[in-house]
Amino acid sequence: DTGVSQNPRHKITKRGQNVTFRCDPISEHNRLYWYRQTLGQGPEFLTYFQNEAQLEKSRLLSDRFSAERPKGSFSTLEIQRTEQGDSAMYLCASSLEVGFYGYTFGSGTRLTVV
Amino acid sequence: DQQVKQNSPSLSVQEGRISILNCDYTNSMFDYFLWYKKYPAEGPTFLISISSIKDKNEDGRFTVFLNKSAKHLSLHIVPSQPGDSAVYFCAASRGNTPLVFGKGTRLSVIA
Repeated sequence: DTGVSQNPRHKITKRGQNVTFRCDPISEHNRLYWYRQTLGQGPEFLTYFQNEAQLEKSRLLSDRFSAERPKGSFSTLEIQRTEQGDSAMYLCASSLEVGFYGYTFGSGTRLTVV
Repeated sequence: DQQVKQNSPSLSVQEGRISILNCDYTNSMFDYFLWYKKYPAEGPTFLISISSIKDKNEDGRFTVFLNKSAKHLSLHIVPSQPGDSAVYFCAASRGNTPLVFGKGTRLSVIA
């Protein structure tokens, strides 16, 4: 297994367009998380899945954001009607459970909204 | 409200000396504390962690200390190496809830 994979690595889009990011977690991990990181900030929690069930969503996740994890495997994060404030690094992570070992992050997708 | 705080945005240390990165938290229910390291254009990578029932955990050059009464933890790197230059994030969790991260401290190790 090569770790957590995120695609694309970079995305530039015009304001108002929709974008979708993909995350492929470590295969044996049942938990998958989405975080967002902006300049000078730490990763901020967006949402997480246990298998295919979306268990928690942050208030940061406005109704323009939607995430799915069909069949408990890969996950997608879609942003509709992008705004300049959506420009950030979107990080995906996976784990068996949090606790002592935390989770494994992917390299992220950097979104720039122009 | 920032539950995990890293009040020093940056730190510079000479190669070979000790680096001490600090972190404070407000939620006394946190039971695991973790440190992550991040290089530019990469995701954070797990470095070391500590359970709330411990006050110290050591792994090679890295040691994490936890002071529960002060709600404070620190990461010590001895000796510091140029390859340690990165942004370090403190994170905490309660049970299996998602990790809460601080804003990070940029460490520069000067040769």
